Amino acid sequence: DSGVTQTPKHLITATGQRVTLRCSPRSGDLSVYWYQQSLDQGLQFLIQYYNGEERAKGNILERFSAQQFPDLHSELNLSSLELGDSALYFCASSGGRLAGIDEQFFGPGTRLTVL
Amino acid sequence: AQKVTQAQTEISVVEKEDVTLDCVYETRDTTYYLFWYKQPPSGELVFLIRRNSFDEQNEISGRYSWNFQKSTSSFNFTITASQVVDSAVYFCALSDTLGSSNTGKLIFGQGTTLQVKP
Repeated sequence: DSGVTQTPKHLITATGQRVTLRCSPRSGDLSVYWYQQSLDQGLQFLIQYYNGEERAKGNILERFSAQQFPDLHSELNLSSLELGDSALYFCASSGGRLAGIDEQFFGPGTRLTVL
Repeated sequence: AQKVTQAQTEISVVEKEDVTLDCVYETRDTTYYLFWYKQPPSGELVFLIRRNSFDEQNEISGRYSWNFQKSTSSFNFTITASQVVDSAVYFCALSDTLGSSNTGKLIFGQGTTLQVKP
């Protein structure tokens, strides 16, 4: 158990809908990262937050957004869902001020299926 | 651009064989970090090791060992006396940098699926 929690574990929804994925980092970790894992794209970085502020952005679609709350949990919002958004979404957290140095601990993932 | 290449898509070995998973990376940065993660069939990503670019010492942890060679931009992972429980997808990753500050973003290779047969 990495200490990172993600809910829900599975999500099935229809095209055009909007969903919210939730992540709680390990106790004391300030950085939260979101990754998408799909068969064709592999593991892709989406976005990083550090202590409530956006720190880095990857190939995140405009239909996707995220935020990190004062209690450090994070939410990833996916809207106008398309079939191609079906994937495993991971949240990871790391502790320190020097985020690149710390290893990232991953949550169990949320498997999103868009029908 | 930074890139990680894991040329071996799938490897199949028989239990107790040694196996090496290859990882080649590209970066223009002088300071960077390399990682290996394991993804067992259950799906979670398990951290295995972190190595910074200034430390080229090989590391051994039980049956696992890592060979970091800056000259060839490689960070290979060897499992000695493989076991069925080692069956998983293994990912090599490189930390991205933003100027002089690491952002923490990981760039992953495509992964190598290791199957260890009894």
